[in-house]
Amino acid sequence: NAGVTQTPKFQVLKTGQSMTLQCAQDMNHNSMYWYRQDPGMGLRLIYYSASEGTTDKGEVPNGYNVSRLNKREFSLRLESAAPSQTSVYFCASSEDPGWGSYNEQFFGPGTRLTVL
Amino acid sequence: TQLLEQSPQFLSIQEGENLTVYCNSSSVFSSLQWYRQEPGEGPVLLVTVVTGGEVKKLKRLTFQFGDARKDSSLHITAAQPGDTGLYLCAGGGGSQGNLIFGKGTKLSVKP
Repeated sequence: NAGVTQTPKFQVLKTGQSMTLQCAQDMNHNSMYWYRQDPGMGLRLIYYSASEGTTDKGEVPNGYNVSRLNKREFSLRLESAAPSQTSVYFCASSEDPGWGSYNEQFFGPGTRLTVL
Repeated sequence: TQLLEQSPQFLSIQEGENLTVYCNSSSVFSSLQWYRQEPGEGPVLLVTVVTGGEVKKLKRLTFQFGDARKDSSLHITAAQPGDTGLYLCAGGGGSQGNLIFGKGTKLSVKP
């Protein structure tokens, strides 16, 4: 039982390059999330998927796109990377969306991305 | 906009000392969670509190949810080096139905 897995763990890109961060969960959770974590800024929500087939913008969606491929997988794409996107990216999942509920989230180990 | 303010931002103490971390907001949350994050890893849930005034204990850690459900505290008794990490509070029931995270308290416990 791996929980939430993310690939790659580390990535260095040049400005303008594109890449996709992969995330998968094996807990049969309905909801999945992408966050970025920057020093002094805490965790900020980029996009989320409340259920398979739906995606919505979070607090900082500009420059990113997502795909909920199936119930297990949720990918994050940077179409044209910028230095401001240098960050640590975390994928998380929860059994249900947090509409007034507990919304306990389980996080992956993160992807450390540097954009030069 | 719902915000969670954590204090202090940094805390460095000696093994055996007690400490309290605070998480405050002007907004009401349906639940409040505390996570701990170790370097190079993702946050891991410690506890969820849902009722105003609720107190939960996890070994040497005591969590309290304020009566008005706008604030929470984490108290650690006799801190150990293994308690070192980033402590994050997160409020549930945000405007988008998601968790709102505080910026965290970085704790260092020296032997």
